[in-house]
This record gives sequence, C-alpha cells and structure tokens, in this order.
Amino acid sequence: QKEVEQNSGPLSVPEGAIASLNCTYSDRGSQSFFWYRQYSGKSPELIMFIYSNGDKEDGRFTAQLNKASQYVSLLIRDSQPSDSATYLCAVNTGRRALTFGSGTRLQVQP
Amino acid sequence: DTGVSQDPRHKITKRGQNVTFRCDPISEHNRLYWYRQTLGQGPEFLTYFQNEAQLEKSRLLSDRFSAERPKGSFSTLEIQRTEQGDSAMYLCAGDSQSTDTQYFGPGTRLTVL
Repeated sequence: QKEVEQNSGPLSVPEGAIASLNCTYSDRGSQSFFWYRQYSGKSPELIMFIYSNGDKEDGRFTAQLNKASQYVSLLIRDSQPSDSATYLCAVNTGRRALTFGSGTRLQVQP
Repeated sequence: DTGVSQDPRHKITKRGQNVTFRCDPISEHNRLYWYRQTLGQGPEFLTYFQNEAQLEKSRLLSDRFSAERPKGSFSTLEIQRTEQGDSAMYLCAGDSQSTDTQYFGPGTRLTVL
C-alpha cells in the first residue's frame, strides 16, 4: 500500500463547476498536509496547507482534513481552464521530508 | 516566484559522466531539501539539510549521489557515473522553522543518453 494515494485521473469538470480532489494516507501519525499544483514541465507550487481536522478556505480553494478517516481533500470552486494541472497531495509524517502522492490530473473544460 | 533558484534548468549528459546541480534558497530557508521526480510520479525525497548539516538521506540516494551545503546557504547535488535511470527532474525546496512549508525551485531536468 502506498503511503499517500491519489486517483491519477484525469478528472474532467466544466468551467465554473466545483472540482473535488481526494487523497488518503496510511500513517496515522501524520501531522501536516499540503496541496501543490504542478503545471506540465514546471515545479510544484504550494496551494494550501492544513494541520487540523475540518475545513480551511483560501479564496476559491478549500482544504478538508479528516484524521480519523485518514483523508484529505481539496475543493476548487468556480473552476477555470487555468486550473488545469496536476494536483499533488503531500503529507508530513513527523520526519522533515514530505511524502507525495502521484497526483491527480485535473482538466477544466471551457 | 518562491525565490528558490536552481541551475542549470536543463542538463543533457552521456551515460557515465558526472553532473552537478546547484540550488540557492532564500536566506530565511535554514532547511533545504532535494527531491527527484519522474514522469507520472510525485516528488521523492532524496536528502535534507538544516543549515550546513545533512540530517537525513533516503535509500534512493545511492553512493553515486552526494550533496553538500557547505556554508548553510546554497547546496549542490552531484551524481557520479550517471545512468539512464537517473533521468528525472531534480527539485530543490526550502523552508524555515517559522513556516514549516516547503517552497520549490524551478527544478533541473536531467536527461542521460
């Protein structure tokens, strides 16, 4: 079992819709959780981080964390074609290094 | 722009050659990380430094790989006797104790022929 699992996609949503990206992790000791966006050929760009159970909102983005279910998600409201990218979930298990999932490719259709 | 720079951005080399990459984090980043990313995968941790001390190395970091951060500022990653399997994007990230969030540089794409 991979430590951080994401559906590879592609997840296709129409412009203006809500995109929901999901991630599960195996280490119950995980302490902090990050979402990065990565455009093709570019490096990961930090979108959100969340440490506590519940929701955290930043503009069109909402991160949701449920430690009991070992589940973290990212909602993107009013999706735009420019949101089309791969979204990487990353987990800090208490070591300094981040453990990444393989990413979910999001396609926003105009 | 995260302020983390990497050089070169692209490197093409022949199998068996040595290559060296450089990462310059911002001054606030007392911690510096190296990751490797292959197509279709997330970044995989290689090693990290706190100031000039190399505190952790991944099993992925074979003896052909060496990293340094001599003055606690920039860092270099050297790969000796490159193999085709070393072809990947090599990413550097920095963070600080106050933010605990890692910011990536643009990466160095290595192609080994």
